[in-house]
Amino acid sequence: NAGVTQTPKFRVLKTGQSMTLLCAQDMNHEYMYWYRQDPGMGLRLIHYSVGEGTTAKGEVPDGYNVSRLKKQNFLLGLESAAPSQTSVYFCASTQDSYTQYFGPGTRLTVL
Amino acid sequence: RKEVEQDPGPFNVPEGATVAFNCTYSNSASQSFFWYRQDCRKEPKLLMSVYSSGNEDGRFTAQLNRASQYISLLIRDSKLSDSATYLCVVKSIQGAQKLVFGQGTRLTINP
Repeated sequence: NAGVTQTPKFRVLKTGQSMTLLCAQDMNHEYMYWYRQDPGMGLRLIHYSVGEGTTAKGEVPDGYNVSRLKKQNFLLGLESAAPSQTSVYFCASTQDSYTQYFGPGTRLTVL
Repeated sequence: RKEVEQDPGPFNVPEGATVAFNCTYSNSASQSFFWYRQDCRKEPKLLMSVYSSGNEDGRFTAQLNRASQYISLLIRDSKLSDSATYLCVVKSIQGAQKLVFGQGTRLTINP
């Protein structure tokens, strides 16, 4: 039982490049979330999903897109990366929201 | 005003000391409250839920004051391993099992 996994762990992009972050969970959770964490800002919700095939915007959705084609996977896309998107990205999942289980994070630098 | 606010610290205390953190939340209709712990360069993990009557888990005590809209965490007989960032978390009433995170309070226990 791996819990929540994220790939890649680290990435460096140039401004304007695109990439996809993959989150996978093996706990059969309905709800999945993408957060970004910046110094002094705490965790901020980017997008979330309440089930397979559904997605919704969070607090800071601009510049990101998501998809949840399979229940166990939640993808976060950056179509045209900007330096302001340099951050640590965490994926989380839950069945009941009382405990969110987080992945190990992806450290992204945009130059 | 942020929905959840914490003193970012850092708090530096000697081993064996008692340390307390407070957190305030702005939405009076919030129903569920938690403390998460985040070690350096790691993902957040649930430390404990916070109940209206207050609750204790070993050396950790959590309290909720609904009238004043604040949550507290008390750590007694602190250990070196308690060094971490403590995140105050409130469940959003806007549905979809969303959590709102405070920016975190950094704690360092000194030998």
